[in-house]
Amino acid sequence: KAGVTQTPRYLIKTRGQQVTLSCSPISGHRSVSWYQQTPGQGLQFLFEYFSETQRNKGNFPGRFSGRQFSNSRSEMNVSTLELGDSALYLCASSLEKPFYGYTFGSGTRLTVV
Amino acid sequence: KQEVTQIPAALSVPEGENLVLNCSFTDSAIYNLQWFRQDPGKGLTSLLLIQSSQREQTSGRLNASLDKSSGRSTLYIAASQPGDSATYLCAVGFDRDDKIIFGKGTRLHILP
Repeated sequence: KAGVTQTPRYLIKTRGQQVTLSCSPISGHRSVSWYQQTPGQGLQFLFEYFSETQRNKGNFPGRFSGRQFSNSRSEMNVSTLELGDSALYLCASSLEKPFYGYTFGSGTRLTVV
Repeated sequence: KQEVTQIPAALSVPEGENLVLNCSFTDSAIYNLQWFRQDPGKGLTSLLLIQSSQREQTSGRLNASLDKSSGRSTLYIAASQPGDSATYLCAVGFDRDDKIIFGKGTRLHILP
C-alpha cells in the first residue's frame, strides 16, 4: 500500500512570505501529526489532527497552523516566514492515535532566505 | 517535564560487532515506545514498536527491550553492517498528555 506522501519535497521561500505543505496519510489512517526537525532542536512536535480536529498541539507560535480534510489529508501553513523556520518538516500518520505507532513521510525541506 | 534522552550522541564501531543503543525517559507512564532510523536528509523509517505491556520486540538483527520502571529502552543490533549507518531515534508516547516525544538520536557509523 502507498506510504505517507508529502509535497513538495523542497521549497525555497523569502522571509515574510507564507507557505503551505501537504501530507497524504496511509489509506485508512485518520491521525496525522506534524514535526519540525532542525539540527539544533531535533524533532519538535507541531500538532496532531484526527477527524478534521486538532487534537494536540506543541509549543509553536500562532504563525504555524494546520488543518485536516475529510479524506484525512492534512496541510500545514506557516505565515510570515522567518529564517529560523528553515527546517525539515515531517508528517506522520497513525491508525487512530499515535498509540498504534507512526509511519513517516519523506519530509519537506523548507529553506527561508 | 517529560524528556527523552539518547546517549551517546554518536557512535562508531567496526563492522560485525554487536552494539546497544540507549534511550531513557523521565516519566514511566507511557503507552508505547518506537525506534526509528533516519538516513541523511530523509524521513524516519520505523524499526520496532513496543507497547507498554510488552518487554521486547524483535525484527531480524534488531531487538528492542523496554523497562518502564527504570525508564529505559535499548536497541540491540547484532552483527552490524555498513548499511546500518544512520541516525537512530526513539520516540516515547506519554500517557499524561498523550504526546509523543523524540530523543535527539544516536548517529551510528559502522566502519567497513
